[in-house]
Amino acid sequence: GENVEQHPSTLSVQEGDSAVIKCTYSDSASNYFPWYKQELGKGPQLIIDIRSNVGEKKDQRIAVTLNKTAKHFSLHITETQPEDSAVYFCAALNPAMDSNYQLIWGAGTKLIIKP
Amino acid sequence: EPEVTQTPSHQVTQMGQEVILRCVPISNHLYFYWYRQILGQKVEFLVSFYNNEISEKSEIFDDQFSVERPDGSNFTLKIRSTKLEDSAMYFCASSWSDIYEQYFGPGTRLTVT
Repeated sequence: GENVEQHPSTLSVQEGDSAVIKCTYSDSASNYFPWYKQELGKGPQLIIDIRSNVGEKKDQRIAVTLNKTAKHFSLHITETQPEDSAVYFCAALNPAMDSNYQLIWGAGTKLIIKP
Repeated sequence: EPEVTQTPSHQVTQMGQEVILRCVPISNHLYFYWYRQILGQKVEFLVSFYNNEISEKSEIFDDQFSVERPDGSNFTLKIRSTKLEDSAMYFCASSWSDIYEQYFGPGTRLTVT
């Protein structure tokens, strides 16, 4: 089945700098890759997603890139702000017959924005 | 903006007791999910539900678990006889079409003592 690895587990960046979080997946049939932000005491919030028919997607300060050949995808946050501090999760969806609805999650990255 | 809501926010129960966790998905969504997150660990898929039946379930979702959509708005997760290892955050999610763009509720923290 699908396995998603996420790195780093903790990332500390200076306010205003960029942050990059990387994930790899194992099953080339996976075709949907969302990113979730989880603030303390709250549920995961979808912040951006990408499907396998595109290589990059951007939404203001957030962008996601996908390399299908290498089976990895990355979250890029530019001009980081204190409110970006949270745990970020990547996930992958493999629409194979036996796992049509399961999002497989990475372990999470704790992003700390230093003032 | 519509959102998924969950009650209670925190549930404490004794081992062996039954618990019901409640969720109100976004009103026009058709697909519903339960996930759990043990403290410090990955989010894990439990079950998906569509058209009043389970679409898929994980190995975690054994006979002690059940789901129901009793009245067209609520979506519940029942654990019949809780175990210590059931202690976790339980998240409900919903989506409009198939499995994309799942929106999560704030979670219920279940503590089994």
